Amino acid sequence: AQSVTQPDIHITVSEGASLELRCNYSYGATPYLFWYVQSPGQGLQLLLKYFSGDTLVQGIKGFEAEFKRSQSSFNLRKPSVHWSDAAEYFCAVGARSGATNKLIFGTGTLLAVQP
Amino acid sequence: SAVISQKPSRDICQRGTSLTIQCQVDSQVTMMFWYRQQPGQSLTLIATANQGSEATYESGFVIDKFPISRPNLTFSTLTVSNMSPEDSSIYLCSIDPGGNEQFFGPGTRLTVL
Repeated sequence: AQSVTQPDIHITVSEGASLELRCNYSYGATPYLFWYVQSPGQGLQLLLKYFSGDTLVQGIKGFEAEFKRSQSSFNLRKPSVHWSDAAEYFCAVGARSGATNKLIFGTGTLLAVQP
Repeated sequence: SAVISQKPSRDICQRGTSLTIQCQVDSQVTMMFWYRQQPGQSLTLIATANQGSEATYESGFVIDKFPISRPNLTFSTLTVSNMSPEDSSIYLCSIDPGGNEQFFGPGTRLTVL
């Protein structure tokens, strides 16, 4: 069965420090992979996606993610974190069901940013 | 990209009552989805609501509890019926405009007393 694991429930980093959020997936075929961010009281915003091709994908707000098939991972990175990046981050895999692409989400990682 | 709105943004309801949540999109889309996010948890797909067909429910969700309407390509409703405190969640609609990626509405925060 398809699944997504985000091992880190909560991460705290200092402003200006680098960030890596881990995501591992289980999916039988070539996955569609996504990272979403949810700020307090907000809906989900798509940060970036991977469908095929270059395994390093760039997203909005200075985020990037690297798809590693051998490790079944799609980790999210940012070289320098800003206080406004404090939010919850969700990794998701798109599971195809007929003509529909359903999203299966990980449990999320809550990011806190220290001044 | 499409603008997605939901009404109400939040509500507090009494147990045993029902609430209908609306999702409006400013462009026509075939594929629409409803998710639930229970407190402190991730998102779980309730159902897929494609226009022109009956909603398809995920395991653990039934039509009697979560009836869905999809009368046209820009609108859908999700009703949470006979509510209990366990239904307290954020309910989100999303759309797939056809590029295999989903965009989400702002969510409806429901509290059941």
